[in-house]
Amino acid sequence: ELKVEQNPLFLSMQEGKNYTIYCNYSTTSDRLYWYRQDPGKSLESLFVLLSNGAVKQEGRLMASLDTKARLSTLHITAAVHDLSATYFCAVDVSYYGGSQGNLIFGKGTKLSVKP
Amino acid sequence: NAGVTQTPKFQVLKTGQSMTLQCAQDMNHNSMYWYRQDPGMGLRLIYYSASEGTTDKGEVPNGYNVSRLNKREFSLRLESAAPSQTSVYFCASRYRGAGANVLTFGAGSRLTVL
Repeated sequence: ELKVEQNPLFLSMQEGKNYTIYCNYSTTSDRLYWYRQDPGKSLESLFVLLSNGAVKQEGRLMASLDTKARLSTLHITAAVHDLSATYFCAVDVSYYGGSQGNLIFGKGTKLSVKP
Repeated sequence: NAGVTQTPKFQVLKTGQSMTLQCAQDMNHNSMYWYRQDPGMGLRLIYYSASEGTTDKGEVPNGYNVSRLNKREFSLRLESAAPSQTSVYFCASRYRGAGANVLTFGAGSRLTVL
């Protein structure tokens, strides 16, 4: 069974602190996506990681991918309130048989940044 | 610059009623998807269409049917709604090929079945 596991599922941080969200997956893939969802809104693409060792950064967020360990991380630096949202990772299994064209999502990490 | 458009945004049904959720994209994407989102469950794939003329079941297809009407449109039908189908439904599309293949989502349709 294909699994994408995020942890933690809930994260309460203080402004200015650093933290990392982890995304482990159980199948072969070299394409991983991070999305952000604000309450009551749709999902917005944050990062696309297309190869082993890929690292992408945008503002206070940095994502990385280790395909050998089947692990992606989303690191938050000096958190601010505006980063409060739910973050999803999604693994692309399109090119490895099974369900062609399929992305499998983790359950999401709900981040709350408090003053 | 519409992207992915879903209708309706909100719907209340009684158990046993039928309805169709409509989705259209204007980005010339070849693949389209329907997901449902429930609290604590993340997004689960209901059906997808890898290209025009093809549809396939995802993780939770029971109780749903789909139609890929043309390259732009992909509809989701509930033939006999059940309370377990109360959820937020997202349509998404992407171009599958070389490159990033990022999924673009619609705004969502909130469905309540009484």
